[in-house]
Amino acid sequence: AQSVAQPEDQVNVAEGNPLTVKCTYSVSGNPYLFWYVQYPNRGLQFLLKYITGDNLVKGSYGFEAEFNKSQTSFHLKKPSALVSDSALYFCAVRANDYKLSFGAGTTVTVRA
Amino acid sequence: NAGVTQTPKFQVLKTGQSMTLQCAQDMNHEYMSWYRQDPGMGLRLIHYSVGAGITDQGEVPNGYNVSRSTTEDFPLRLLSAAPSQTSVYFCASSYSSGGGNQPQHFGDGTRLSIL
Repeated sequence: AQSVAQPEDQVNVAEGNPLTVKCTYSVSGNPYLFWYVQYPNRGLQFLLKYITGDNLVKGSYGFEAEFNKSQTSFHLKKPSALVSDSALYFCAVRANDYKLSFGAGTTVTVRA
Repeated sequence: NAGVTQTPKFQVLKTGQSMTLQCAQDMNHEYMSWYRQDPGMGLRLIHYSVGAGITDQGEVPNGYNVSRSTTEDFPLRLLSAAPSQTSVYFCASSYSSGGGNQPQHFGDGTRLSIL
């Protein structure tokens, strides 16, 4: 069985500061890892994914994520956060089938 | 190109009623899925389909039925609504190539309340 943990329910940062949202996973075999963002009353939007290759993955809106196999982590990062980055962020993992498992989500608040 | 369209956006049901949540996509995606989102629990997979005529159960399938007669449509049926099914339901689709490494496209959800 596969699972995802997002250890922080909430992350609060000041605008212009670095933003990190943590994610760890458990899966048999090679993982496909994803980050999605959800704005109020909307569906999830894809940010980035790790399939294979470079451990640092770049995605939409200036976000990037670092895959660490030994720590089974896939943390989302942004060097300089914007107020508009305030949203709910989900990490997700897929193994060898099509079932996608999501973390519980982390609410990010960026204050001006 | 509308993407993934879910109807209705809001619905209130009484316990024991049945209803169908509609989902349609215009991207010719083979893979479609239904999730429910509950506070503090992320999204949980209800049912999914890898192509027309093929469906399978996800993590929380009890109380729900699906069918996939066309590539475009993937309706979710609540057989006899229960208060525990009060949730926000999301439909998603993606290409099935790559064994599941394609990102999913989500609809805007159906907010369902069971009284």
